[in-house]
Amino acid sequence: QSVLTQPPSVSAAPGQKVTISCSGSSSNIGNNYVSWYQQLPGTAPKLLIYDNNKRPSGIPDRFSGSKSGTSATLGITGLQTGDEADYYCGTWDSSLSVNWVFGGGTKLTVL
Amino acid sequence: EVQLVESGGGLVKPGGSLRLSCAASGFTFSSYSMNWVRQAPGKGLEWVSSISSSSSYIYYADSVKGRFTISRDNAKKSLYLKMNSLRAEDTAVYYCARDVERPDFDYWGQGTLVTVSS
Repeated sequence: QSVLTQPPSVSAAPGQKVTISCSGSSSNIGNNYVSWYQQLPGTAPKLLIYDNNKRPSGIPDRFSGSKSGTSATLGITGLQTGDEADYYCGTWDSSLSVNWVFGGGTKLTVL
Repeated sequence: EVQLVESGGGLVKPGGSLRLSCAASGFTFSSYSMNWVRQAPGKGLEWVSSISSSSSYIYYADSVKGRFTISRDNAKKSLYLKMNSLRAEDTAVYYCARDVERPDFDYWGQGTLVTVSS
């Protein structure tokens, strides 16, 4: 059971837009920046979005992030077959038992 | 180019021990906090442990506290994870990841697989 809640899967057609939600609480998302990671099959996670909505160098502007209260959203426009991957949200948590928390991951299928 | 290369994974029996290493290059290793994050087969990401740049601050997830020890050697640009009393539920790919004092990990290694089984 992950601390942050994501839908297990989402799907959309090539060229379309998709959003992935990430829900938390005041001890994590509510008081910290959110990051997003893309994990292509068989590879390590890759930072996609940091500080809620900033993109590292090399990440196309088709990827965007937002946060409101204790929830965050990853948006992907102009879907490509190469975007098929697992996507994870993450942030700090101020509870005593853990420093970093992740969502359970969302499998994106580009139909 | 930032590179993180893990090694040391393998098959170990329950109750056994293993030491993972992560060799860093392409950045000033001694200036960054480092972390271990694991991923059980078919499961999501789980943060395991972190260590500050000078080893002054060390943190562990409850699931590994008392069994795992994180350490680093800045002269060798290396991060380590000593894992004792291993359990089947510790089976996972272990990634080392760099953090930049923000709530994210900006670079990840390719991972090393640890399998705990009799």
